[in-house]
Amino acid sequence: GESVGLHLPTLSVQEGDNSIINCAYSNSASDYFIWYKQESGKGPQFIIDIRSNMDKRQGQRVTVLLNKTVKHLSLQIAATQPGDSAVYFCAENMKGGADGLTFGKGTHLIIQP
Amino acid sequence: DAGVIQSPRHEVTEMGQEVTLRCKPISGHNSLFWYRQTMMRGLELLIYFNNNVPIDDSGMPEDRFSAKMPNASFSTLKIQPSEPRDSAVYFCASSLGGPDYGYTFGSGTRLTVV
Repeated sequence: GESVGLHLPTLSVQEGDNSIINCAYSNSASDYFIWYKQESGKGPQFIIDIRSNMDKRQGQRVTVLLNKTVKHLSLQIAATQPGDSAVYFCAENMKGGADGLTFGKGTHLIIQP
Repeated sequence: DAGVIQSPRHEVTEMGQEVTLRCKPISGHNSLFWYRQTMMRGLELLIYFNNNVPIDDSGMPEDRFSAKMPNASFSTLKIQPSEPRDSAVYFCASSLGGPDYGYTFGSGTRLTVV
């Protein structure tokens, strides 16, 4: 089955509000997680990453939270802007694994004016 | 930095024809990945190279697919013969530190097999 998945396929938020995008993963051996943003017609773009020895990491307007107990990952976007409209993917990789990243199916974030 | 460069951006071909997709990774990156993206299956890893050597090709669908990396600055993904179900966007990505680091993706090649 899907080792990385997302709870909601579409998320609609008002411009200026905070957005929270969720992701569940099933592989407890996963050690490294990344959030990507994909705009229409473009390749995925790196947003932020986190390793399993951390539970929170902050970037510019974004925060990633990792809850290893329930195998849950979330991406928080502060003060959502129109340019944040995109599909967001979480991805995982097992520690020391030779495989590439495993991606979830994505959440489409829609910004309402 | 020009990023990861893929060509062509779009490819339309007839079933049975050979298709070759090309990728130039970021200079200095030692890992290269080929992914396929479809609405039904999302992003799937096809093959991964480290220092030009194929490490994991378990995602390659079947023998019709082959990938090469003759040097650190070039890789190809070939489909021969192509089939309509191969229609997808194919992405190449490169990384400085192997699979444990964030990738930089190219803009992709949209392949349509009719």
